[in-house]
Amino acid sequence: DQQVKQNSPSLSVQEGRISILNCDYTNSMFDYFLWYKKYPAEGPTFLISISSIKDKNEDGRFTVFLNKSAKHLSLHIVPSQPGDSAVYFCAASSNSGGSNYKLTFGKGTLLTVNP
Amino acid sequence: SQTIHQWPATLVQPVGSPLSLECTVEGTSNPNLYWYRQAAGRGLQLLFYSVGIGQISSEVPQNLSASRPQDRQFILSSKKLLLSDSGFYLCAWSRTGVGTIYFGEGSWLTVV
Repeated sequence: DQQVKQNSPSLSVQEGRISILNCDYTNSMFDYFLWYKKYPAEGPTFLISISSIKDKNEDGRFTVFLNKSAKHLSLHIVPSQPGDSAVYFCAASSNSGGSNYKLTFGKGTLLTVNP
Repeated sequence: SQTIHQWPATLVQPVGSPLSLECTVEGTSNPNLYWYRQAAGRGLQLLFYSVGIGQISSEVPQNLSASRPQDRQFILSSKKLLLSDSGFYLCAWSRTGVGTIYFGEGSWLTVV
């Protein structure tokens, strides 16, 4: 059972426009959500996160929106740049009450920003 | 600042041979440590995690094992590799009580 779903395997946008990457989850216990960016043959790089007590978090060109009732989050990149071309992973976790945090990842969305 | 390193970056191993991937974290103490695998066309799958020296939790049954001999050292091993063990292996760490995980550079394993 896939608890974190990224239904779009790929997305193509023009430089300067907005990129919107979507993610859905099924586990209502998830309370912390993250986006990672990954280039080929490299480890994922943490981009931005949001806890379930918020519905928006912004960091420069990156904004994450969380809709808890719909169990949906999205990552907005404005303006998109060619260097943003990469695979973007959505991830989620729940605070088990212990000291370990385990992330559940989606399968990723390949973003291509065309010059 | 904290850094994480894993090695080797790439390796090609025959079926039935042993495996050892090593990961170290610098600049922090008592981190949570993780091994993930990314297989072709799939997301990132958690294999093992550790909250302290000698404490290993396995997420999926498999041909691999993990050990944490020191606070900031995490090792992924296999006694006999299978073709299905091929993939991109990622070590990661997080601070205790904090949900953000930071990844190493990754290791490409091809079993032939």
